[in-house]
Amino acid sequence: GAVVSQHPSRVICKSGTSVKIECRSLDFQATTMFWYRQFPKQSLMLMATSNEGSKATYEQGVEKDKFLINHASLTLSTLTVTSAHPEDSSFYICSAVQGYEQYFGPGTRLTVT
Amino acid sequence: AQSVTQLDSQVPVFEEAPVELRCNYSSSVSVYLFWYVQYPNQGLQLLLKYLSGSTLVESINGFEAEFNKSQTSFHLRKPSVHISDTAEYFCAVSENNAGNMLTFGGGTRLMVKP
Repeated sequence: GAVVSQHPSRVICKSGTSVKIECRSLDFQATTMFWYRQFPKQSLMLMATSNEGSKATYEQGVEKDKFLINHASLTLSTLTVTSAHPEDSSFYICSAVQGYEQYFGPGTRLTVT
Repeated sequence: AQSVTQLDSQVPVFEEAPVELRCNYSSSVSVYLFWYVQYPNQGLQLLLKYLSGSTLVESINGFEAEFNKSQTSFHLRKPSVHISDTAEYFCAVSENNAGNMLTFGGGTRLMVKP
């Protein structure tokens, strides 16, 4: 139980385009999901908290107009990187909360050329 | 505000040797503690957790960690490592009143050599 999926696992896009990443809780409902960013050989950096039915809460320094988060249902949150640039290239990981725990997706590798 | 320190960024060890990955935290309230493992290009997998009760917690693959409140530590140990244990290990803390938000340590890369 408690499986979280992400789609796509890898994406390459051109600079200036937008990319949508999906995070799904497959066998449970999650009122809260989190989005993280991870640079090579570094720890996870929390980007935002996604709450079903309400606006996301962004961490300091994260541009909410660039990283659009939508949590339209109890099993799906999406992260859209708008007007992507090479510096947005990173590994994006989501998690979904059940009880006291976060369950993590497998991550999405974004490369912006 | 809470913080998590993993003192060793890399730990090289020979196969079948014991290992300890250190984790210290700071918090003004009671906490939940977690260890996650990350294999290359993958997400995080929960290894073990401390929520309450016995301060010694174990995972199914031989790892254990002990919550030491006085030293604010949650070190991860395994008596005999395998090549397959090579991975990145993250210690994380959640304050009981923080809505499940996790604060991660910087990670420790465990490198098991034959």
